[in-house]
Amino acid sequence: QKEVEQDPGPLSVPEGAIVSLNCTYSNSAFQYFMWYRQYSRKGPELLMYTYSSGNKEDGRFTAQVDKSSKYISLFIRDSQPSDSATYLCAGKIQGAQKLVFGQGTRLTINP
Amino acid sequence: DADVTQTPRNRITKTGKRIMLECSQTKGHDRMYWYRQDPGLGLRLIYYSFDVKDINKGEISDGYSVSRQAQAKFSLSLESAIPNQTALYFCATSDFHTPKILDSSAFGTDTQYFGPGTRLTVL
Repeated sequence: QKEVEQDPGPLSVPEGAIVSLNCTYSNSAFQYFMWYRQYSRKGPELLMYTYSSGNKEDGRFTAQVDKSSKYISLFIRDSQPSDSATYLCAGKIQGAQKLVFGQGTRLTINP
Repeated sequence: DADVTQTPRNRITKTGKRIMLECSQTKGHDRMYWYRQDPGLGLRLIYYSFDVKDINKGEISDGYSVSRQAQAKFSLSLESAIPNQTALYFCATSDFHTPKILDSSAFGTDTQYFGPGTRLTVL
C-alpha cells in the first residue's frame, strides 16, 4: 500500500464549479501536508501546506486535513480554465528529510 | 531567469548507454533532490543532498548515482540506461530554516522548488 493514495482521475468539470480533490494516507506520523500544482511540461509548484489537522484558506483554494480519518482535501471555488493542471498531495513527518507524494490527479476545467 | 534549471530538457538514448542529467540552481539553497515521475506512480525520490559532502539514497536509488559538484550543482547519472528508466526526471531544491520562534506550525516546513524536468526515453 502506498503511503499516500490519490485518485489519478482525470477529472473534468465546467468553469465556475467547486472542485474537490482528495487524498488518503497511511502514515499517522505525518504532520505536514502539501498540495502541489503541476502544469503540463512544467515542474510542480507548491500551492498550499497545512500543519496537523484543520483548514487553511488562500483565495479560492482551501486545504483541509482530517487526521482522525487520514484524509486530506483541496477545494477550489469558482474554478477557472487556468486551474487545469495535475494536483499532487504530499505528506511529511516533522523533522524528516523527504516528502511522500500521491500519484497526482489530472484536472481539466472546461470553459 | 529560472531559479532551477535542468539540462537536457529531452533526451532519447539506447539501452546500455551512460547518461548524465544536470541541475543548477541560483536560489542559494543547500538542499537538492532528484525525483522521477511516472504515470500512476507520482513522484519518487531517487537521491538527495543536504550539502556538498552529504549524499543520501532515496526510495529508488538502484541504477542511479549522483554527484554534488558545488552547492548550486547536482547531477544524476544512469551508468547503463535501461528501458524502465524511461520517465520524467525532476530536480528540486529547498532551504530549511529553524524559525526564530519555535512555533511548531512553522518548524519542519521545507518547501521544495522544482525545475522544469527532463524527459528521458531509453530505447
